[in-house]
Amino acid sequence: AQSVAQPEDQVNVAEGNPLTVKCTYSVSGNPYLFWYVQYPNRGLQFLLKYITGDNLVKGSYGFEAEFNKSQTSFHLKKPSALVSDSALYFCAVRELAGTASKLTFGTGTRLQVTL
Amino acid sequence: ETGVTQTPRHLVMGMTNKKSLKCEQHLGHNAMYWYKQSAKKPLELMFVYNFKEQTENNSVPSRFSPECPNSSHLFLHLHTLQPEDSALYLCASSQEDRHQETQYFGPGTRLLVL
Repeated sequence: AQSVAQPEDQVNVAEGNPLTVKCTYSVSGNPYLFWYVQYPNRGLQFLLKYITGDNLVKGSYGFEAEFNKSQTSFHLKKPSALVSDSALYFCAVRELAGTASKLTFGTGTRLQVTL
Repeated sequence: ETGVTQTPRHLVMGMTNKKSLKCEQHLGHNAMYWYKQSAKKPLELMFVYNFKEQTENNSVPSRFSPECPNSSHLFLHLHTLQPEDSALYLCASSQEDRHQETQYFGPGTRLLVL
């Protein structure tokens, strides 16, 4: 079975500083990887995905993620954090489920950005 | 907004009640999903429908019964639930004709079982 791991329950960063939220994956075959963000009392919002191609993927709200095959990682990054980025972030891997697909999520990392 | 709506947003029910959660997607997608999000646990996939056919049932108890009358609507019928079923139930949809597409989520229904 495919899986992703988010080793940090929480990441704290000061506004204006760069942020990194870590994710490692375990898949058979080519990985299809996703990042989602969840704000309080809301559903998940898609940020970005890696399917193939350039290892640096750019997404919404200034976020980007770097796919590293040798380290089996897909870390989420942003050059300058905002207080409004404070939320719960999920890494996910896609696998087939019959004729559709399903996402397997990590446990989530809470990002806290302070002034 | 993502184009996926869920009603109700909040639901409180007793263990003997019967209720239904509704999901509607306005994106023209052909696959829909139910996920359960509990405190301190990863998101769990419950059911997958592709072209109205159920393609995945992730060992979900029979007290949860999904229904997908068409590719835009998805229901989750609930009966004789347990307090441990209290959670945020999320619906998602995607276009699966190329097996590469993104799932878009609704805002969820927060369920409390008393």
